[in-house]
Amino acid sequence: DTGVSQDPRHKITKRGQNVTFRCDPISEHNRLYWYRQTLGQGPEFLTYFQNEAQLEKSRLLSDRFSAERPKGSFSTLEIQRTEQGDSAMYLCASSFGGLVDSPLHFGNGTRLTVT
Amino acid sequence: GENVEQHPSTLSVQEGDSAVIKCTYSDSASNYFPWYKQELGKRPQLIIDIRSNVGEKKDQRIAVTLNKTAKHFSLHITETQPEDSAVYFCAAKDSGAGSYQLTFGKGTKLSVIP
Repeated sequence: DTGVSQDPRHKITKRGQNVTFRCDPISEHNRLYWYRQTLGQGPEFLTYFQNEAQLEKSRLLSDRFSAERPKGSFSTLEIQRTEQGDSAMYLCASSFGGLVDSPLHFGNGTRLTVT
Repeated sequence: GENVEQHPSTLSVQEGDSAVIKCTYSDSASNYFPWYKQELGKRPQLIIDIRSNVGEKKDQRIAVTLNKTAKHFSLHITETQPEDSAVYFCAAKDSGAGSYQLTFGKGTKLSVIP
């Protein structure tokens, strides 16, 4: 499968703990996005990378959230001091950015449950 | 920022009938409008998209129309089949300088009754 892969698929953690998720985009895609989806809602944008540069962050992304894409390939999303409100599906997507935007391809997501 | 409204939130149709889902957007400069299908427990998958320089696009049983003046776009599925049952999301691309984010609607749960 050469699609976007995310790890882990599920994560259960206790409030106050830190968690880290990984995303491996489609190999030729230079753009990578993180979205969050809660039950009954559409995905909400969190942040965007072009190659290794983080170019855009949503106001939803509090200072407890940090994302990296150190070599312009895989990305990690870390949540520090998790809260119950952080429980959601965290979706990664990638695309190829050129003169015309290409569609976003999503991964299967990491479902986070904070107890 | 962009705001996308999607209606209806749920839609039931008989197999073989057509289904129409409508979305409105707030940013008149938005220029890219994709539709995603999400089956239970699975990833959102792109089914069709349209850019602001086109009024209509069709792919087999699926079509999307865009009215830039009214700032709305619609998904049309003809000859619906049980496997079309899923949640459908519309989205609009924010046209702000240096912005690459998609703003999604809240989704429409489509049920196709055999």
